[in-house]
Amino acid sequence: QVRLQESGPGLVKPSQTLSLTCTVSGDSVSTGGYYWNWIRQRPGKGLEWIGYIYNTGATHYNPSLKSRISISSDPSANQFSLRLTSVTAADTAVYYCARDLGRYSPKRCFDLWGRGSLVTVSS
Amino acid sequence: IVLTQSPDTLSLSPGERATLSCRASQSVSSTYLAWYQQKAGQAPRLLIYSASRRAPGIPDRFSGSGSGTDFTLTISRLEPEDFAVYYCQQCVTSSPSFGGGTEVEL
Repeated sequence: QVRLQESGPGLVKPSQTLSLTCTVSGDSVSTGGYYWNWIRQRPGKGLEWIGYIYNTGATHYNPSLKSRISISSDPSANQFSLRLTSVTAADTAVYYCARDLGRYSPKRCFDLWGRGSLVTVSS
Repeated sequence: IVLTQSPDTLSLSPGERATLSCRASQSVSSTYLAWYQQKAGQAPRLLIYSASRRAPGIPDRFSGSGSGTDFTLTISRLEPEDFAVYYCQQCVTSSPSFGGGTEVEL
């Protein structure tokens, strides 16, 4: 059974960097052939796709966030991570990690999700 | 691609039929339209992908249909656990996007 679990600080100061990690169990982020994603949900708003990393290390980001985000992986820990720089209050959201339904080729819909991690940007 | 869901809120009772609409700003291949259910405090759950294919474990009272710019999620007979927010999502572009959601309330 595949599980995803987000972890990281719940509070980040404006202008600083938000860092979150997703720990995957039951599958491999480096050999399983899946695309591993970050998605966020701002308070009272809908869902926004942030980006993904593939097991080759290839990444793809939402153009609206591209200048501020990076996604990396740590195969030894079976984790992948999100960094979002220069945060503002508008980045306050629940951040989810999620697996793409497609294997070896992205389908860009998401069959497995973590429980989410609330990150508040405030001084 | 912008997805517009309607109505914003659907007030129904258990046993009734729910019909949720998702309209795309441009044509979307049916291969690339998904539906999710989200309950309060939980992550979204994939219900339907490729417009009409149920994800594993999803009851057959959930069905999806549509093509082009108009898609529908139907819940044939609402169960108490079906009261939630439902989102459609286009999977066609390299940056997938979601609709604003429809809340099915009691």
